[in-house]
Amino acid sequence: SAVISQKPSRDICQRGTSLTIQCQVDSQVTMMFWYRQQPGQSLTLIATANQGSEATYESGFVIDKFPISRPNLTFSTLTVSNMSPEDSSIYLCSVEVEEGGPYEQYFGPGTRLTVT
Amino acid sequence: AQSVTQPDIHITVSEGASLELRCNYSYGATPYLFWYVQSPGQGLQLLLKYFSGDTLVQGIKGFEAEFKRSQSSFNLRKPSVHWSDAAEYFCAVEGNEKLTFGTGTRLTIIP
Repeated sequence: SAVISQKPSRDICQRGTSLTIQCQVDSQVTMMFWYRQQPGQSLTLIATANQGSEATYESGFVIDKFPISRPNLTFSTLTVSNMSPEDSSIYLCSVEVEEGGPYEQYFGPGTRLTVT
Repeated sequence: AQSVTQPDIHITVSEGASLELRCNYSYGATPYLFWYVQSPGQGLQLLLKYFSGDTLVQGIKGFEAEFKRSQSSFNLRKPSVHWSDAAEYFCAVEGNEKLTFGTGTRLTIIP
């Protein structure tokens, strides 16, 4: 398993500003993921972040809006840029861990973002 | 592309009653299947997983799930629910190194 922390746990931001969310894991992992969970909805994958390479974004998400950094094997950041109320969501990071079989994903506690 | 359907948006059960949450998946190959639980204000916690072998898998908190290939299902069960089981439950399938989640089932427990 893996223990994942995220900062901040929640924030209220004004439209037009940016917020950077940090994700820290207690062990070295190759793959980290960022998800968005809009109010009352399921999880949608934003991007996959591998250390030493550019993040891979899913359809509908672009680097200019959601820049991601992955400076080492235990840390990643997601920035939500030029925010609008539609960006109000929970943002979760996850890591992929191999435990005697195919990989499993473990999730952080999430960052609850409200844009006013 | 893979997909997951959770047909029940909201289920209410009495404390001590049995529970079954439905999950149907679509995936071309042998699926890797997961159930996660999300308590209010929390992240996701892995309850159990199916990779291969025994089709009845045991998880944490007394949950189990049964993989039925013929029905493309992976339903979650618990023989006796506790008030602390009230949460959102997500079924997920892994394919192409990505997890695809269902829309979730919200479980309410009544005394």
